[in-house]
Amino acid sequence: KAGVTQTPRYLIKTRGQQVTLSCSPISGHRSVSWYQQTPGQGLQFLFEYFSETQRNKGNFPGRFSGRQFSNSRSEMNVSTLELGDSALYLCASSFGDIYGYTFGSGTRLTVV
Amino acid sequence: TQLLEQSPQFLSIQEGENLTVYCNSSSVFSSLQWYRQEPGEGPVLLVTVVTGGEVKKLKRLTFQFGDARKDSSLHITAAQPGDTGLYLCAGKKNYGGSQGNLIFGKGTKLSVKP
Repeated sequence: KAGVTQTPRYLIKTRGQQVTLSCSPISGHRSVSWYQQTPGQGLQFLFEYFSETQRNKGNFPGRFSGRQFSNSRSEMNVSTLELGDSALYLCASSFGDIYGYTFGSGTRLTVV
Repeated sequence: TQLLEQSPQFLSIQEGENLTVYCNSSSVFSSLQWYRQEPGEGPVLLVTVVTGGEVKKLKRLTFQFGDARKDSSLHITAAQPGDTGLYLCAGKKNYGGSQGNLIFGKGTKLSVKP
């Protein structure tokens, strides 16, 4: 079956711009989580959506937002980009609470 | 303060050696997962453990969940170059009946030289 698909794979943006990243989960998975991965901090939780509702939110500023559509696809948006937002953004989908996550290959965002 | 502490951070060994990676916390987790990540890719789930004291084997990899569900270990027997990667432990906490988000350790970077 198809895995978790994230688009785009690479993105270069200028400070102050905004960006939207997309994630298509595995068919049947209703939970979608987003993580930011940097060499210094590792994987930091951004938010989790389940059936179009945000269920958990990490400790990130309000510039980071997300949403989930009725087909479980999810998007995350970062407004007013800062240099420190440069990272690998990972999306993961899961069938439910007790199951493991399947990650996409990520979107590598570089802010210049 | 990192909720899940992994050690060692880096490990470089020769093919055929054994190794153990540790994942420790002062918190209790309802489940703990291990992932392996290769450069430029997302983490791949290796195993989920949910019961204190549980031991799971995946070929040459042995995973153990501590009795108190606060720690876990990953042991690799006769490591091979294909085992090279970043090993991540991740735990879920139970908040009044509902599951919280998955919390990750910073990982152990393993390099196995032929």
